[in-house]
Amino acid sequence: EIVLTQSPATLSLSPGERATLSCRASQSVSSYLAWYQQKPGQAPRRLIYDASNRATGIPARFSGSGSGTDFTLTISSLEPEDFAVYFCQQRINWPRTFGQGTKVEIK
Amino acid sequence: EVQLVESGGGLVQPGGSLRLSCAASGFTFSNYWMSWVRQAPGKGLEWVASIKPDGGEKFYVDSVKGRFTISRDNAKNSLDLQMTSLRVEDTALYYCTTGGGSFDNWGQGTQVTVSS
Repeated sequence: EIVLTQSPATLSLSPGERATLSCRASQSVSSYLAWYQQKPGQAPRRLIYDASNRATGIPARFSGSGSGTDFTLTISSLEPEDFAVYFCQQRINWPRTFGQGTKVEIK
Repeated sequence: EVQLVESGGGLVQPGGSLRLSCAASGFTFSNYWMSWVRQAPGKGLEWVASIKPDGGEKFYVDSVKGRFTISRDNAKNSLDLQMTSLRVEDTALYYCTTGGGSFDNWGQGTQVTVSS
């Protein structure tokens, strides 16, 4: 099973600041990594698939990068609605696995 | 607009069974992999099971193998998860999703609570 480790666990930032979230895989997942956003009481929403492709309707301030074992989700300038929990997920192997999440909170 | 509506959750005793259903609309259901993903209270996301568009291949997380069965009815645009021998650790919000690789559309979930 591929283990995904996200860091940091919590990121405290102010609106307008840049957020950089990390996801590290226990073995290579090539570019088969997705990112999701989840707000309290809501279902997750896919932001990025295959490391760097924005899903339909996702604002351009969200970008993904990386390949192999190291990946980054960047939010260029935080909007109030971006404060949420973010998960990464790999699809190269079964079982599909998720990281434990990074909470982006208002500083 | 893609809609996924889960139903069938509830409170069940350890060792009991439940059948979850997902009604899909707004897309060509028979063309899509479908999956179940769960989230225990206050915890992260856990993939549970996926099924190929024609139902010919199914994949499960190890912790549910032999206890859960994923199935679909393409004529009715529906996805099911039959859960047996339920354990306390199966307590979670169960989401129906499109996709078997990454999960692009999600329902709002149905709560399963396993408790005596």
